[in-house]
Amino acid sequence: GAGVSQSPSNKVTEKGKDVELRCDPISGHTALYWYRQSLGQGLEFLIYFQGNSAPDKSGLPSDRFSAERTGGSVSTLTIQRTQQEDSAVYLCASSPSGEIYGYTFGSGTRLTVV
Amino acid sequence: KQEVTQIPAALSVPEGENLVLNCSFTDSAIYNLQWFRQDPGKGLTSLLLIQSSQREQTSGRLNASLDKSSGRSTLYIAASQPGDSATYLCAVMAGGTSYGKLTFGQGTILTVHP
Repeated sequence: GAGVSQSPSNKVTEKGKDVELRCDPISGHTALYWYRQSLGQGLEFLIYFQGNSAPDKSGLPSDRFSAERTGGSVSTLTIQRTQQEDSAVYLCASSPSGEIYGYTFGSGTRLTVV
Repeated sequence: KQEVTQIPAALSVPEGENLVLNCSFTDSAIYNLQWFRQDPGKGLTSLLLIQSSQREQTSGRLNASLDKSSGRSTLYIAASQPGDSATYLCAVMAGGTSYGKLTFGQGTILTVHP
């Protein structure tokens, strides 16, 4: 597609359930980011994939969070045993390689844990 | 570790004013710098990207400059309009061993009132 696609756009889940958030980057983009943004807060880095390199997982807040990127394309962010503090907008961004390119963001997934 | 600071944190101006948003970064070894706009409850929209070898980029009423050696960038908005009200974020892309990694500032909340 023309842009970065995230699904679902909204997700309401009960505390303790697992959720999966999906990101379809722009075709051919080698770099992919996940961020989250709590209400009224700045962007919090979660995880970064660059080509075939090992992902930078240094931003994942706990071992309940994990992410994978299959075939260098689609990425899934999984949150296990969700808690209310996980409620936020989860944003995905992708970019081709090279300094002349910037990042394109998806519209995000708004996660609400009740 | 790269740190990005944006000043001011918030700005309120009357319609028609020209204004400047500031972004500074601590590590000058960057590949590019990108300015984004975020509307409430939405994802990020890329406004301008300046490569490390460039001094400025222009798009319509927006002009972004980059002084890599001093670690500064400015976003100039001419003849501001109420529709410009949003949060403006700058992000630097790292080079070298951290190639592609983005570091964001905390943003400037701009309000343009009629």
